[in-house]
Amino acid sequence: QQKVQQSPESLTVSEGAMASLNCTFSDGTSNNFRWYRQHSAKGLEVLVSIFSDGEKEEGRFTAHLNRANLHVSLHIREPQPSDSAVYLCAVSINYGNEKITFGAGTKLTIKP
Amino acid sequence: NTKITQSPRYLILGRANKSLECEQHLGHNAMYWYKQSAEKPPELMFLYNLKQLIRNETVPSRFIPECPDSSKLLLHISAVDPEDSAVYFCASSQQGQKFSNERLFFGHGTKLSVL
Repeated sequence: QQKVQQSPESLTVSEGAMASLNCTFSDGTSNNFRWYRQHSAKGLEVLVSIFSDGEKEEGRFTAHLNRANLHVSLHIREPQPSDSAVYLCAVSINYGNEKITFGAGTKLTIKP
Repeated sequence: NTKITQSPRYLILGRANKSLECEQHLGHNAMYWYKQSAEKPPELMFLYNLKQLIRNETVPSRFIPECPDSSKLLLHISAVDPEDSAVYFCASSQQGQKFSNERLFFGHGTKLSVL
């Protein structure tokens, strides 16, 4: 069964500094990766999707995927206090949305 | 996100029966119910594609999903248990097919508190 682990559990970064979040997964056949953001008591907002090794940028959000290392990361450029939220890594294999496994999340706080 | 609406937003129950509702205005064929307990990631409960139940996760029988049409999704709950306290998210996607890389769109959720 797929295991998705995120680190760190919580992260505090000053406004304007780069924020980096990590996610490891256990199933090497995984090929569908998304980073979601969840503000308190609200739904999930997709930030960036990546399906092959390398880098994918969506605005200030960049995902890096290295499937050989079972690792996907999210980097947030010039974070703002409004980016404070829980960030969830979502991984699935060829079954697409039927078999999404979410990580437990990283709570990111951006200090002004 | 007002394209997927869920009602009610908050629900406090004793051991009553209640239904959660979701409607999406995106023209999507697939709809999902996710449960997110406190401090945990979302977990898939049910997936419908074109009104057909595609995936029925192992959830207690007191949760009964219903999809009256492809834009609406209901979750009927009877005799709730304290362990059911969670936020229930509705989501949708274009096709909901296997081998699909399409993204999910989530509603704001219904927070269920069981007394």
